[in-house]
Amino acid sequence: GQQVMQIPQYQHVQEGEDFTTYCNSSTTLSNIQWYKQRPGGHPVFLIQLVKSGEVKKQKRLTFQFGEAKKNSSLHITATQTTDVGTYFCAGLRSNDYKLSFGAGTTVTVRA
Amino acid sequence: NAGVTQTPKFQVLKTGQSMTLQCAQDMNHNSMYWYRQDPGMGLRLIYYSASEGTTDKGEVPNGYNVSRLNKREFSLRLESAAPSQTSVYFCASSEGEEYYGYTFGSGTRLTVV
Repeated sequence: GQQVMQIPQYQHVQEGEDFTTYCNSSTTLSNIQWYKQRPGGHPVFLIQLVKSGEVKKQKRLTFQFGEAKKNSSLHITATQTTDVGTYFCAGLRSNDYKLSFGAGTTVTVRA
Repeated sequence: NAGVTQTPKFQVLKTGQSMTLQCAQDMNHNSMYWYRQDPGMGLRLIYYSASEGTTDKGEVPNGYNVSRLNKREFSLRLESAAPSQTSVYFCASSEGEEYYGYTFGSGTRLTVV
């Protein structure tokens, strides 16, 4: 079964507001990756976090890897209509080095 | 600058028919993957090939077979299609298994009736 859980499944955001999506694993991860999939499109790699407690930023997106390397978050500030899509986290399991994808958070934006 | 190319983009099959989904990458990546995407399920790994000449089962391999034809190409075969295999199929590649982001193809939308 799925070992990486993402919450919330859906996020409806007013344009200009901030939101956060969370990713939790039952096992320790070697790294965490984040992908974005636009409606009707394919997943596109955004970023990878490897170190415990690591924080990386891409413009309005802030990605964080937990100290225990079992959870991660994506925070988007000042949401824009271009942020619409589904955001997936994917954890590389430490025991077998296989990438396990979460079910994704689907973001819609109200103008 | 094609990246990962999948064919076909759309396919409708009758139950029991067979077909092969093709995937090719031009980035000289070592590892290739086949995923299926179903609503609310995220991406589930069907088969992968860590390097040329090797293939291994993923989470949901039943009903599928794969062939790593060469370093560039990795095909997925449905021998006897079932309605439960209706899904969007994505091929992906990466430089290696660890610590590399995946590049996905544009997907094949398959319907089995």
